[in-house]
Amino acid sequence: ILNVEQSPQSLHVQEGDSTNFTCSFPSSNFYALHWYRWETAKSPEALFVMTLNGDEKKKGRISATLNTKEGYSYLYIKGSQPEDSATYLCASCSSNSGYALNFGKGTSLLVTP
Amino acid sequence: DGGITQSPKYLFRKEGQNVTLSCEQNLNHDAMYWYRQDPGQGLRLIYYSQIVNDFQKGDIAEGYSVSREKKESFPLTVTSAQKNPTAFYLCASSITREGGYTFGSGTRLTVV
Repeated sequence: ILNVEQSPQSLHVQEGDSTNFTCSFPSSNFYALHWYRWETAKSPEALFVMTLNGDEKKKGRISATLNTKEGYSYLYIKGSQPEDSATYLCASCSSNSGYALNFGKGTSLLVTP
Repeated sequence: DGGITQSPKYLFRKEGQNVTLSCEQNLNHDAMYWYRQDPGQGLRLIYYSQIVNDFQKGDIAEGYSVSREKKESFPLTVTSAQKNPTAFYLCASSITREGGYTFGSGTRLTVV
């Protein structure tokens, strides 16, 4: 995998549903994996930065896992709320790319009451 | 409050004119970045800078130029050589490679 790929492209769930998204990234020369939430008319906001294989991070109802050997990360949202509606971006950086992140196209989540 | 300021929010220019987008941060971050977003595409890296007076080309640097004379400022010039300049431009900064990015609110450039 040369690029960061995210799936699904978009998702529509009901309030209270739990959901998850996938991010695939190049596993060679891996350094870090970032997740961002981007709400309409706002700036992207950092959710998690993970560097170690097996990392799991949690912020409220949102959590993420990392598998650097196979090159994937999952983002989970438990009990989705309408305010979770946003585009979720995944990005990776490699050990030979300085600090620059390579972003996926994002997963657009819509949570309806 | 610390943050990143991008200005202007909307910019209109005639084809063939150079235009400079401003990005200022007061977070004391060493690294700064410029990304471009087009409909249906992810953020694509134009240029980045890890320290003052040094910057590196990203994936789509052709037709763009930058400078980093001060730690706080990383302006992006869209030159007339950029074939398709109409896009949404985001500036970001980070303190280290492990740190998350802080993003500005973006500039939407329309070239007519």
